Amino acid sequence: DQQVKQNSPSLSVQEGRISILNCDYTNSMFDYFLWYKKYPAEGPTFLISISSIKDKNEDGRFTVFLNKSAKHLSLHIVPSQPGDSAVYFCAARAGNNRKLIWGLGTSLAVNP
Amino acid sequence: NAGVTQTPKFRILKIGQSMTLQCTQDMNHNYMYWYRQDPGMGLKLIYYSVGAGITDKGEVPNGYNVSRSTTEDFPLRLELAAPSQTSVYFCASSPGPRSSGNTIYFGEGSWLTVV
Repeated sequence: DQQVKQNSPSLSVQEGRISILNCDYTNSMFDYFLWYKKYPAEGPTFLISISSIKDKNEDGRFTVFLNKSAKHLSLHIVPSQPGDSAVYFCAARAGNNRKLIWGLGTSLAVNP
Repeated sequence: NAGVTQTPKFRILKIGQSMTLQCTQDMNHNYMYWYRQDPGMGLKLIYYSVGAGITDKGEVPNGYNVSRSTTEDFPLRLELAAPSQTSVYFCASSPGPRSSGNTIYFGEGSWLTVV
C-alpha cells in the first residue's frame, strides 16, 4: 500500500522550460513533505520542504505547491537545467513520527 | 565537511556470510537511519535510532541488526546474507525532534551483492 505515490516514473523536458513533478498521498495525517534529489551512485540530498500550514514554498528555481484537499503536491523547477537531471523523491511524515514515507521517485531528464 | 560517511562502498557476499556496514556522522545528530533501495523502488527504512543506546525497527528489519553505542556511529549488521538482501544501503542522520522539518542527510550508499 503506497501512501506516497509518484505516478510518473520519468519526465523529459527541454532546458529552460518548466519541470513539474507530481506527488500524491493518501494519509491525511501527513503534515510535512520533502523533496529529495538523487544522482546516480550518490545518496539522496534534501531539496525543499513544505509544512501543511502552507500551500507554497519557494527556494530559488524550486517551488513546492501543496494542495491539502486534493492530497497532492508538486515540485516546479524553473528554468530547468541539464544539471537538474536526477531522480526526485517525494517524502512525507506525520506529526512527531520520525519515519519518512517515500515515493518511488521520478527520473527527470533535462535535455540541452 | 564529511557529513554522513558509510563504508564499504561496494561489497560482494556469499550466501550465509556475515558483514557489517559502517556508518558515522560528524554533525552531532541524534537521529540515525538505515535505508535500503531496491531497483525501481523507493527507500525502505530498515532500522533507526533516536539517540545513543536506543534503536527501533523500521519497515524491513528482518535479517538485520543494529547498535548505537555512540552518537556518531550506527553500524548495520547482516548475520546470514541472503540474495534478497542484494540492494543499495543508505545510512542517514537528522537533528533532534525540535528541528524544523527533520531534514535527513544521507551517506553516499553501499552497494551490496549477495551471490
